Amino acid sequence: DTGVSQDPRHKITKRGQNVTFRCDPISEHNRLYWYRQTLGQGPEFLTYFQNEAQLEKSRLLSDRFSAERPKGSFSTLEIQRTEQGDSAMYLCASSLTGQGRDEQYFGPGTRLTVT
Amino acid sequence: AQTVTQSQPEMSVQEAETVTLSCTYDTSENNYYLFWYKQPPSRQMILVIRQEAYKQQNATENRFSVNFQKAAKSFSLKISDSQLGDTAMYFCAFMKQGTNAGKSTFGDGTTLTVKP
Repeated sequence: DTGVSQDPRHKITKRGQNVTFRCDPISEHNRLYWYRQTLGQGPEFLTYFQNEAQLEKSRLLSDRFSAERPKGSFSTLEIQRTEQGDSAMYLCASSLTGQGRDEQYFGPGTRLTVT
Repeated sequence: AQTVTQSQPEMSVQEAETVTLSCTYDTSENNYYLFWYKQPPSRQMILVIRQEAYKQQNATENRFSVNFQKAAKSFSLKISDSQLGDTAMYFCAFMKQGTNAGKSTFGDGTTLTVKP
């Protein structure tokens, strides 16, 4: 088990460009979460999937954000027409629900800088 | 909606001493989990300890223990015999339990520095 991985680890983009991040969860985990973390704050929930179904989206997730988990394994988070306010660390986490534990395991994050 | 409050933005402790980090939360749920996560500088977040709300016994994991006061909605973390490697940001988090459980709600964290 190699843990949750995210790619890329760092992304610098110009305002108005589109970016896509990838998350590979722990292989047997059925739930996958996306959070956003800005400096000095705790992670804020964006969205989560159970298998391939997107079960909840935060109101923070504007129309410019979209997430997919097409085969119930890896997930992608796309941000269209990036803005400077999108600069943050984007964290992915996964969990195995239904085994009485439910804790989330986090990846290293993708740090996005919008210039 | 749930809220989690960590009232201590920064704390420091001498190596080998004991320190307690505070966390309070607000919820109308009866069944939930509470977690403490550790995020070392420039490293990923890892789970330190978890507590199920239905359990009266406080969770312990080696040098880490919690004081869970359900009625007061308080969930503090005690670190005993502090080590330099404990230097990190610590986040308290809440998650509903059950089939509709999903997201975690995090506090804004406490930066802990262990001094030699």
